Amino acid sequence: GAVVSQHPSWVICKSGTSVKIECRSLDFQATTMFWYRQFPKQSLMLMATSNEGSKATYEQGVEKDKFLINHASLTLSTLTVTSAHPEDSSFYICSAAKGQINSYNSPLHFGNGTRLTVT
Amino acid sequence: QKEVEQNSGPLSVPEGAIASLNCTYSDRGSQSFFWYRQYSGKSPELIMFIYSNGDKEDGRFTAQLNKASQYVSLLIRDSQPSDSATYLCAVNPTNTGGFKTIFGAGTRLFVKA
Repeated sequence: GAVVSQHPSWVICKSGTSVKIECRSLDFQATTMFWYRQFPKQSLMLMATSNEGSKATYEQGVEKDKFLINHASLTLSTLTVTSAHPEDSSFYICSAAKGQINSYNSPLHFGNGTRLTVT
Repeated sequence: QKEVEQNSGPLSVPEGAIASLNCTYSDRGSQSFFWYRQYSGKSPELIMFIYSNGDKEDGRFTAQLNKASQYVSLLIRDSQPSDSATYLCAVNPTNTGGFKTIFGAGTRLFVKA
């Protein structure tokens, strides 16, 4: 099956610093990747859609200047949490769909997630 | 109204029983429906997807879709303790202007040995 690799799996940082999370599709090209955030005992909330070679599309309420997304190649998308604060502590998960992204039938394949703790 | 609704549970069933998980969605034009399993502290993994009305079986899992009722369910036969997890229903609605997968809050399932 499709493999999506995410790194790091966990990170602890101090308030005010920035953290970069990488998401790679290992065995397929992903023109579009998705970044989700999940707080404890809550569902996945879509933060943004990452498009290769163009600007990301952010969901309502997600600050694009705080959560910087770069999708520089067909296999790599990065999420940078800038000036992190304790309320940004969460489980961040990237995903990608294999196949034609315009197909509404494409299931998502998830990375293993990154647990961010901001102290 | 939430786009995808699930009973948060927990749903507790004895080992060997059938676990029934339900989900409703709001976008009548939705075409694709997915069930994911998420263990605590882990990312979701795809269990099944279904696109057409009716039943779809894969091993111990059966997905059921009723578009008229905007209802999708997942049955787990011969439930095992290892099935204990949160099950997420996901839908690709067509009213969002692009490709997007919306998740329900998930139903926690406990299978008692």
